[in-house]
Amino acid sequence: EADIYQTPRYLVIGTGKKITLECSQTMGHDKMYWYQQDPGMELHLIHYSYGVNSTEKGDLSSESTVSRIRTEHFPLTLESARPSHTSQYLCASSEGWAGELFFGEGSRLTVL
Amino acid sequence: DAKTTQPPSMDCAEGRAANLPCNHSTISGNEYVYWYRQIHSQGPQYIIHGLKNNETNEMASLIITEDRKSSTLILPHATLRDTAVYYCIVRVDMNNNAGNMLTFGGGTRLMVKP
Repeated sequence: EADIYQTPRYLVIGTGKKITLECSQTMGHDKMYWYQQDPGMELHLIHYSYGVNSTEKGDLSSESTVSRIRTEHFPLTLESARPSHTSQYLCASSEGWAGELFFGEGSRLTVL
Repeated sequence: DAKTTQPPSMDCAEGRAANLPCNHSTISGNEYVYWYRQIHSQGPQYIIHGLKNNETNEMASLIITEDRKSSTLILPHATLRDTAVYYCIVRVDMNNNAGNMLTFGGGTRLMVKP
């Protein structure tokens, strides 16, 4: 059982609101990731982090931002949510760049 | 990372072996084959990985052809709970490679039927 947690699991919010999706892991992993997945579609990497105070953009451009102030915490923020941001956001972590990724259960965001 | 090709969907009878193929004809010598699965939009779950030897764990077996251009994931006795999307991914497994991200394709949607 992976020790990586995402909250909220489901969020319905109006356009223009600021939202933060939380992701925490208790495995001490340096590497963390955010993937975005629309229903029935592929996962796309939108952000990743080497470790504390490092953040990088992924393959898919995203209006969201991330921060990594603590090893165990990698929150994702949307300053002004829009309907186009409706999607599932999946957080993951790994010990290094190689090997297994551990995923959270995802945060399903709906913007009205 | 090498591109992979998987059938979009497959059916399997409960209790029978599920054999999921993956083509990776452009794989290079230092790229590993990884398999993950995603059950009903939950986070993907690691299953198994290998370089060139066949691998087996409590979940599945991975058979890699001698030329490494294709592989097969085998679930020996499929259950209804194995219904999921299965992703085959190839990548270089180097801990000093910061660009070494898992890239998920479309995967194979396996439906296990009673």
